[in-house]
Amino acid sequence: GAVVSQHPSRVICKSGTSVKIECRSLDFQATTMFWYRQFPKQSLMLMATSNEGSKATYEQGVEKDKFLINHASLTLSTLTVTSAHPEDSSFYICSARGISGNTIYFGEGSWLTVV
Amino acid sequence: GESVGLHLPTLSVQEGDNSIINCAYSNSASDYFIWYKQESGKGPQFIIDIRSNMDKRQGQRVTVLLNKTVKHLSLQIAATQPGDSAVYFCAEFSTGNQFYFGTGTSLTVIP
Repeated sequence: GAVVSQHPSRVICKSGTSVKIECRSLDFQATTMFWYRQFPKQSLMLMATSNEGSKATYEQGVEKDKFLINHASLTLSTLTVTSAHPEDSSFYICSARGISGNTIYFGEGSWLTVV
Repeated sequence: GESVGLHLPTLSVQEGDNSIINCAYSNSASDYFIWYKQESGKGPQFIIDIRSNMDKRQGQRVTVLLNKTVKHLSLQIAATQPGDSAVYFCAEFSTGNQFYFGTGTSLTVIP
């Protein structure tokens, strides 16, 4: 079946640095990718929706200059957390929607810890 | 639209019983809905989906019911097993190309 891969699965970075998380669709072309963050025992909060080749659409309250999203190809989207702070520590999850249908597949998530 | 950061409601069922997990969605224009299962520390796993032109869909041991009048979804799990213990989310796909998650329900199966 379709697989979405996220990398890294876990990352620790120092406060003030930037970290990039990759989301790849491995066996299908993803026209749309979604980025979420999730705090413990809470639901997934949609951060932004990105379509290949165009700018991401950010949800209200999400800083686009802080969470840079790039969807340069049909198989890769990246989320860069810039000038990370401890409050950015969270579980970040991407999902991808293929060209052929509405089924949406999720990556395994990336744990970010900012120290 | 968006899910809110509420703490998860919980549901405990005895092994072998049927489980019913409910979800209210927000956008009457949403036309596609998916139920996901999430185990601790992992990404969501697809269970079953339903389009707005249907009111019921069955899978293996699972059934999704859609009531568009009251914007309500339910997931029924037959003969619940310990491996079904997880957090369950409904998600709505709106015509604005956004994909929002509901609050979620934590299911615990008691052996």
